[in-house]
Amino acid sequence: QVQLQESGPRLVKPSETLSLRCNVSGGSISSHYWSWIRQPPGKGLEWIGHIYFSGRTDYNPSLKSRVTMSIDTSKKHFSLKLTSVTAADTAVYFCARVDWGIYRWFDPWGQGTLVTVSS
Amino acid sequence: DIQMTQSPSSLSASVGDRVTITCRASQTINSHLNWYQHKAGKAPNLLIYGASTLETGVPSRFSGRGSGTDFTLTITGLQPEDFATYFCQQGDTTPYTFGQGTKLEIK
Repeated sequence: QVQLQESGPRLVKPSETLSLRCNVSGGSISSHYWSWIRQPPGKGLEWIGHIYFSGRTDYNPSLKSRVTMSIDTSKKHFSLKLTSVTAADTAVYFCARVDWGIYRWFDPWGQGTLVTVSS
Repeated sequence: DIQMTQSPSSLSASVGDRVTITCRASQTINSHLNWYQHKAGKAPNLLIYGASTLETGVPSRFSGRGSGTDFTLTITGLQPEDFATYFCQQGDTTPYTFGQGTKLEIK
């Protein structure tokens, strides 16, 4: 059974770069799309983007100028970088696998990691 | 972007009750609507995909209906483990978007 686990710094300073990694265990990272999703405190979920095992990406236009996703299939992890962060980027960040059928659901998810942007 | 409006934002109910949560899309998304259950500090859990198909292992007391713009999630015979937050997600068009969530609490 595939399991995902987010890791990375929990505190990032304003204007710096947020970096997170999602480790994939219990299954293959290949032939799948992988997403990052976030939830600011007290707010709804926001899709950040996804990456295919080949490296092809698709980002939310609202974040596209600041987001970079990458994938390392040999190490079975994929990563998120978000530049020039502000307090508005404080959120729980989730990684998830995308089902690439016609309905595009997310399953499984990681349990999420809270990243706080503060000096 | 497609806006997903979910209601109610919170709901109090008792064990054994039947509850319904609604999700409305700002434009048609056919049946590209998925439902999740989320308990604080845990990974969200897929319940229903394609508006009405129960994910493997999800109890049959959960059901989903709808197509186009209006969708519902119904839980018939609430169990103690069902008290959680539920949210919908459209998988029709990127950027994929989510409802704001419904927090289901014990009355």
